[in-house]
Parts: sequence; C-alpha cells; structure tokens
Amino acid sequence: AQKVTQAQTEISVVEKEDVTLDCVYETRDTTYYLFWYKQPPSGELVFLIRRNSFDEQNEISGRYSWNFQKSTSSFNFTITASQVVDSAVYFCALRWEGQNFVFGPGTRLSVLP
Amino acid sequence: EAGVAQSPRYKIIEKRQSVAFWCNPISGHATLYWYQQILGQGPKLLIQFQNNGVVDDSQLPKDRFSAERLKGVDSTLKIQPAKLEDSAVYLCASSWTTSGVYEQYFGPGTRLTVT
Repeated sequence: AQKVTQAQTEISVVEKEDVTLDCVYETRDTTYYLFWYKQPPSGELVFLIRRNSFDEQNEISGRYSWNFQKSTSSFNFTITASQVVDSAVYFCALRWEGQNFVFGPGTRLSVLP
Repeated sequence: EAGVAQSPRYKIIEKRQSVAFWCNPISGHATLYWYQQILGQGPKLLIQFQNNGVVDDSQLPKDRFSAERLKGVDSTLKIQPAKLEDSAVYLCASSWTTSGVYEQYFGPGTRLTVT
C-alpha cells in the first residue's frame, strides 16, 4: 500500500528555533517522487520541493533543508531559524509514476514571536 | 504566469441543494485534478483529467458528484444533492502531464459549508 505518515500533528516553537518535520512513506515502487507543500492560513497549497527516488542528495534552500533517506523511508524537512511567517500546515506527499498524489495528514507548525 | 483560478471562494448551501465549482488551470497544463480537503486532513483526490479525458475517478462519489472538462481546459465539479459531510475545501490543481516529474500547482480552493 502507498501511504504517507506525518506523526507530528502540531508543533509549536519560538521564533529563531530550528524545527524538523517528519515524513515517513510506504511504497513498493522503485520509481516514485516525494513532495513537500506548505499551506498557509490563506489555504493555497504552495509547492516547496520534489525529490525522485533515485536522488538521495540532501537539499538546502535558504533556511529550508530536506533529508531524504531511502533506508528508513523518510523525507524530513528542517526549518532553520524559524520565523512567524513559517506558521502553516505542512504536507508531505508521495507520487508513484503515472499515479496520483497521496498526501500525509499534515503537521501544523506554529512559530511564536 | 497566472496561477490556477477557482470560483467561488466560499459557498454556503443547505443539505440536498446542488452546487458547482469552477476551475481554470495554468495555461498549457494538460492534467487537472480535483481534491477534497476536510478540515484537519490532507487533500484527497476526487478525479484526475488528462486533457478532456478522465484518468482516475475511483474516489469520486459518483451518486452525487460529477465533473467535466469538456474542452480540455477549464473544469466544473458539481455536487447534487449535497450532504452535511460534503463540507470541505475543494481544491483544483494542474500539472504539465501525469508524470511524477511534474509538481502540481494548486488553486486557492472553494470552501463549502453545508448546513
């Protein structure tokens, strides 16, 4: 079965703290894609990153970084020096070739000033 | 580049009434998706179109939900008759093709409240 688990329902941090959002996925396919989306209070899902199953290189983009580990089926997302504007619901999603997205339940991040 | 457009943004109806949502994808995107997002949950795919053909509608409650994309561009999702449990945000998304290489771009959604 294809499945995405985000065990953290809600996280609260104080501004400037680092925070890691966990994502664990299940798939039997060898070719698949993992995504992170941000959903701010406005409601629109914003694409953050895509990783394919053959590329295990970690990626850093400004304050954001992603750690992809096939051995543990995890694709974790870290925000360094968090800001109030980072407050949102974050979704991890899985897509296997030619098929549709399966979204995790989301993690609500609250960054307090 | 214009994003995915949806209307209306909000809709309140009584149960057993009908409602329709409209979506215009990003220009050139062949694949269009409709998702239902219930409060506190991740989006759930209802239907996927490739141009004007249906690729996957396995999770669409076909007794009350219908969708069309007649000219392969914009799309309409209809609910008739609505039930209380249909209260949710309906998200439209589009991508270049069905390939996983391409991410989906989402519209702002339509928040439906059924009373």
